[in-house]
Amino acid sequence: GNSVTQMEGPVTLSEEAFLTINCTYTATGYPSLFWYVQYPGEGLQLLLKATKADDKGSNKGFEATYRKETTSFHLEKGSVQVSDSAVYFCALRTGGYNKLIFGAGTRLAVHP
Amino acid sequence: DGGITQSPKYLFRKEGQNVTLSCEQNLNHDAMYWYRQDPGQGLRLIYYSQIVNDFQKGDIAEGYSVSREKKESFPLTVTSAQKNPTAFYLCASSMMPGQRGQRNTEAFFGQGTRLTVV
Repeated sequence: GNSVTQMEGPVTLSEEAFLTINCTYTATGYPSLFWYVQYPGEGLQLLLKATKADDKGSNKGFEATYRKETTSFHLEKGSVQVSDSAVYFCALRTGGYNKLIFGAGTRLAVHP
Repeated sequence: DGGITQSPKYLFRKEGQNVTLSCEQNLNHDAMYWYRQDPGQGLRLIYYSQIVNDFQKGDIAEGYSVSREKKESFPLTVTSAQKNPTAFYLCASSMMPGQRGQRNTEAFFGQGTRLTVV
């Protein structure tokens, strides 16, 4: 079946450090891939997306490249800020039903 | 402003009671979804609806019920049959592939309702 696997957290970094959060997926067909961010006590916000192989999604300094050969969609940011502290979810959507399948989430804590 | 509104933000339920969580969207989206989030876990799909008067069970539908009488509204009822209802509930909506010519669309989420059994 379709699934998403994320690296376990929490990830703790100092401000201005480089961030990588790994995400791999299993899916039939050609899924669309997403990263969502959740701040404490809030809903999820779309961070970036990619809809086909080799697409790069980017937003607010975050990037992720859709790698079909490795079935991966790793999230990166060159210099994190304290305000980036949140839970990050990788997700995929495949098929005609438009359902999203989420990973377990990775908590990021950035310290000054 | 267009968006999804969930209410209430916090809800307390006594054992054996049914409670209904509200979800309203003004984005003109056909598809709507309910997810459950438990601490430290990802989101699990409860129910989803692609069109008015139609909905399908997700992965954890037992103990829940929904209705879709209007395009804008997708309320979720947590029944007394749900043995462990304390969780954070998230509603989402999206266009369907093909709606307005869109091929791939993302989901937009409400701010969530935190349900606690007392």
